[in-house]
Amino acid sequence: GAVVSQHPSWVICKSGTSVKIECRSLDFQATTMFWYRQFPKQSLMLMATSNEGSKATYEQGVEKDKFLINHASLTLSTLTVTSAHPEDSSFYICSARLAGVFNSYNEQFFGPGTRLTVL
Amino acid sequence: AQKVTQAQTEISVVEKEDVTLDCVYETRDTTYYLFWYKQPPSGELVFLIRRNSFDEQNEISGRYSWNFQKSTSSFNFTITASQVVDSAVYFCALSARGGFQKLVFGTGTRLLVSP
Repeated sequence: GAVVSQHPSWVICKSGTSVKIECRSLDFQATTMFWYRQFPKQSLMLMATSNEGSKATYEQGVEKDKFLINHASLTLSTLTVTSAHPEDSSFYICSARLAGVFNSYNEQFFGPGTRLTVL
Repeated sequence: AQKVTQAQTEISVVEKEDVTLDCVYETRDTTYYLFWYKQPPSGELVFLIRRNSFDEQNEISGRYSWNFQKSTSSFNFTITASQVVDSAVYFCALSARGGFQKLVFGTGTRLLVSP
């Protein structure tokens, strides 16, 4: 159980275009989803926290107008990189936190990641 | 503030050697959670273990073992008789109420196991 999927697994796009990445919790409901970015040979950096039905909370230094997050249901969150540029090329990973009191460890379940390359 | 330090950037060992990956954390919370993840070249994070701050028992799972010591704020990870398939980046992470329960990752330790 507790499987999270991401789509697409990789994408190559031209500079200036927008790219949407989907994150789905397949077998559980997630009131909270997280989006991380990982540059080569670096750690995961939290970009934003997404709560179902409300606006995402962005970390300091992350442009909310550039990285649009929508968490429309308890199983789906999307990240749209608008007007992508080469410096946005990175590995984007989402995670989902199990809703309810059973998740006593605050555990997050991670998707497999999406590799974005902007030419 | 929450912080996780993995001082070892890269470790190289020969197969069958034992290796310990260090993790030191900082938090003011009395209730917190610690995790270890493995990230192979494919990029997908693989969950290895979780611990809450009230459970200081060490754990062994096959060739893996973890040593949690609150007195030194450390949560070290040992691989016994390492194998080539253990080559990956390993991340230690912390989640605490004071950090709004977000996961804070260490910088990771790259383990290279050669045959």
